[in-house]
Amino acid sequence: NAGVTQTPKFQVLKTGQSMTLQCAQDMNHNSMYWYRQDPGMGLRLIYYSASEGTTDKGEVPNGYNVSRLNKREFSLRLESAAPSQTSVYFCASTRSAYEQYFGPGTRLTVT
Amino acid sequence: SQQGEEDPQALSIQEGENATMNCSYKTSINNLQWYRQNSGRGLVHLILIRSNEREKHSGRLRVTLDTSKKSSSLLITASRAADTASYFCATDDGGGFKTIFGAGTRLFVKA
Repeated sequence: NAGVTQTPKFQVLKTGQSMTLQCAQDMNHNSMYWYRQDPGMGLRLIYYSASEGTTDKGEVPNGYNVSRLNKREFSLRLESAAPSQTSVYFCASTRSAYEQYFGPGTRLTVT
Repeated sequence: SQQGEEDPQALSIQEGENATMNCSYKTSINNLQWYRQNSGRGLVHLILIRSNEREKHSGRLRVTLDTSKKSSSLLITASRAADTASYFCATDDGGGFKTIFGAGTRLFVKA
């Protein structure tokens, strides 16, 4: 059981470039989440998917899009990266909306 | 905006001492959770307490919840150097699928 995996682990982008962060879980969880964590702060919810086929905005969705490709995979896309999107991005999944399981994170720097 | 706010922001104690962290939140909740984050890692779920519970134990962890004061505390007894981490409280938004994290308490346990 790999749990929640994220790729890539690190990424450096130039302003205006695009990229997709990948997330997959092998626990047959219904719900998946994308968060960002800035230094000294907690996690802020970007988007979530309560179940396969649905996605909803979280607290800070601007500048991001998501795709729930199937039950296992939930991707996060930055269409035109900005320095303000420099952060650590975490994907999480859960069966019941409680006790979320987190991936190891993607450290993104936008210059 | 963040639902939960932890206090203190940082705590430094000696190994063997107890560590107490507090969390306050703003709106009605169904449950409150505590997570731990080791440096550079994803969050790990520690314990969940439901709104109709007042106290819960798990190993060296003791969590209390006072819904009238909209506050919770996490007590770690007989702390160890391995407990050094950031601790976050998280609440639901009353609706179900969203979990809202506080900014965290950084705990440093000196050997």
